[in-house]
Amino acid sequence: QSVLTQPPSVSGAPGQRVSISCTGSSSNIGAGYDVNWYQVLPGTAPKVLIYGRNNRPSGVPDRFSGSKSGTSASLAITGLQADDEADYYCQSYDNTLSGSVFGGGTKLTVL
Amino acid sequence: QVQLQESGPGLVKPSETLSLTCTVSGGSISGYFWSWIRQPPGKGLEWLGHVSYSGSTSYNPSLKSRISLSVDTSKRQFSLKLTSLTAADTAVYYCARETATRLLDFWGQGTLVTVAS
Repeated sequence: QSVLTQPPSVSGAPGQRVSISCTGSSSNIGAGYDVNWYQVLPGTAPKVLIYGRNNRPSGVPDRFSGSKSGTSASLAITGLQADDEADYYCQSYDNTLSGSVFGGGTKLTVL
Repeated sequence: QVQLQESGPGLVKPSETLSLTCTVSGGSISGYFWSWIRQPPGKGLEWLGHVSYSGSTSYNPSLKSRISLSVDTSKRQFSLKLTSLTAADTAVYYCARETATRLLDFWGQGTLVTVAS
């Protein structure tokens, strides 16, 4: 049972928009800590997709965006492409656990 | 560019202790936390803990009695020890740099550790 809750899977057709939710609590997202998003392609290490208040590292297209409200956050992907098919994880800090926490991960399938 | 590389055994016996080392190249060791994260086969990411450049540590409470992290700034390395291993500890183990805002911005490639007799 992950501290942050994500849907196990989402899907969309090429060109469409999908959104992945990340629900936490008052000890993590609700406490104002940053939510970061990672993309994990099969057999590779996680890669930072979105960090902090909707910041993208160099090289990440602006089709990816993040938002946060209350105890939840979301990752939106527009103009879906086949190579967006991957697992996506949200991550934040929890002041009760005094450490980083991850969501359970969401598998994105491009139909 | 910061690069991290994990090293250690790929196979460990149940009840034994896992020792992994992460070597950091590029960038500064100071001013950051140095973290370990694992991913069991078919499962999600789990943060195990971090050690600061000064040696202070924070651990995942679920592992607190079994985990120990240390740093050797002169060698630009940090290490993980995990005791009393079981099959549930089988996972890909990653080391990563953690910023003050808890972003894990640079990751090693990961190393698969299998716990089996």
